[in-house]
Amino acid sequence: QQPVQSPQAVILREGEDAVINCSSSKALYSVHWYRQKHGEAPVFLMILLKGGEQKGHEKISASFNEKKQQSSLYLTASQLSYSGTYFCGTELEKTSYDKVIFGPGTSLSVIP
Amino acid sequence: DADVTQTPRNRITKTGKRIMLECSQTKGHDRMYWYRQDPGLGLRLIYYSFDVKDINKGEISDGYSVSRQAQAKFSLSLESAIPNQTALYFCATSDPNNEQFFGPGTRLTVL
Repeated sequence: QQPVQSPQAVILREGEDAVINCSSSKALYSVHWYRQKHGEAPVFLMILLKGGEQKGHEKISASFNEKKQQSSLYLTASQLSYSGTYFCGTELEKTSYDKVIFGPGTSLSVIP
Repeated sequence: DADVTQTPRNRITKTGKRIMLECSQTKGHDRMYWYRQDPGLGLRLIYYSFDVKDINKGEISDGYSVSRQAQAKFSLSLESAIPNQTALYFCATSDPNNEQFFGPGTRLTVL
């Protein structure tokens, strides 16, 4: 039931772009994205609801493809502060207990 | 002051000992969660509670128990700690949109 994230890890130079993918084998109601910096707690980035919407947050945006049960997180013109582990969390049908199940994470390192 | 607090922040214990991790929140949220984080495995849900009278098992509840003493307090207990319970534990709350707010974490080591 845990969503699958890819890649597991990525190293970028400042200014480069990255895409992190999250996919599920089950029908999703929503996808959540969080970032965790080393030694800190995860912090919320955004939630996408089914309907194929796209959201943006500074230079970080995401999309949700309901047909594929897949979400992608786009980081453009990466900054050193983007380094951390990115988790997607998925929420199944809204009528059931809507707990969030998190993926294993994608480690992102931005170097000068 | 932090909205979600956890005590202790670090704990070293021995196999077989009973320990309790405590979580308090001032956000006024009904929903609270306990997660465990291990390298490469992400955040795995141990237990969750949608209100004071509601307790639910998560993905990995074996070996753990919880108590929801009040809307603001949610405790996690390890009845008899074992080494493979060594991990980073996070408490979280969520708002009606299911945005999760995490505490600072408790690093537990079981020797």
